Amino acid sequence: DIQMTQSPSTLSASVGDRVTITCRASQSISSWLAWYQQKPGKAPKLLIYKASSLESGVPSRFSGSGSGTEFTLTISSLQPDDFATYYCQQYNSLWTFGQGTKVEIK
Amino acid sequence: EVQLVESGGGLVKPGGSLRLSCAASGFTFSSYSMNWVRQAPGKGLEWVSSISSSSSYIYYADSVKGRFTISRDNAKNSLYLQMNSLRAEDTAVYYCAREGGYDHFFDYWGQGTLVTVSS
Repeated sequence: DIQMTQSPSTLSASVGDRVTITCRASQSISSWLAWYQQKPGKAPKLLIYKASSLESGVPSRFSGSGSGTEFTLTISSLQPDDFATYYCQQYNSLWTFGQGTKVEIK
Repeated sequence: EVQLVESGGGLVKPGGSLRLSCAASGFTFSSYSMNWVRQAPGKGLEWVSSISSSSSYIYYADSVKGRFTISRDNAKNSLYLQMNSLRAEDTAVYYCAREGGYDHFFDYWGQGTLVTVSS
């Protein structure tokens, strides 16, 4: 089974900050990685797929990079609507999610 | 507009059974693989099961294998999850999610239905 490890688990930031979340896979997953945003009481929302492809309608301040075992999600300038929990997901071999990164207000 | 609406959640005793449904609309249901993902209270996301468009390929997480059964009815645009031998650790919000075309990420999710396993 492929394990996904996100860091940090919690991130405190201010509006306008540049934010980076890291996701590491226990073995190579090529670029088969997605990022989701989840707000309390809501379903997850797809942000990025294939490591760096932006889902339609997602603001361009979100970007993804990486391949193999190390990936990052970057928010270039944090907005009030971005305070949420973010999950990475590998879909190279079945599906596995990272444990999540909560982005909270500093 | 793509819509996925789950139903069937509720309170069930340990060892009991429950059947979840997911009604799909706004897309050609029979062309897409579908999944169930769950989230225990205050915890992260856990993939549960997947079924291909024609039901030819079915996969389960080890945590539910032998207890849960995924199925679909393309004529009714519906996805199902039969859950047997339920345990306290199965308590979670269960989401249905669509796989995005040729790629296997989840592009649309339902709002979820809560399953509580407790005596």
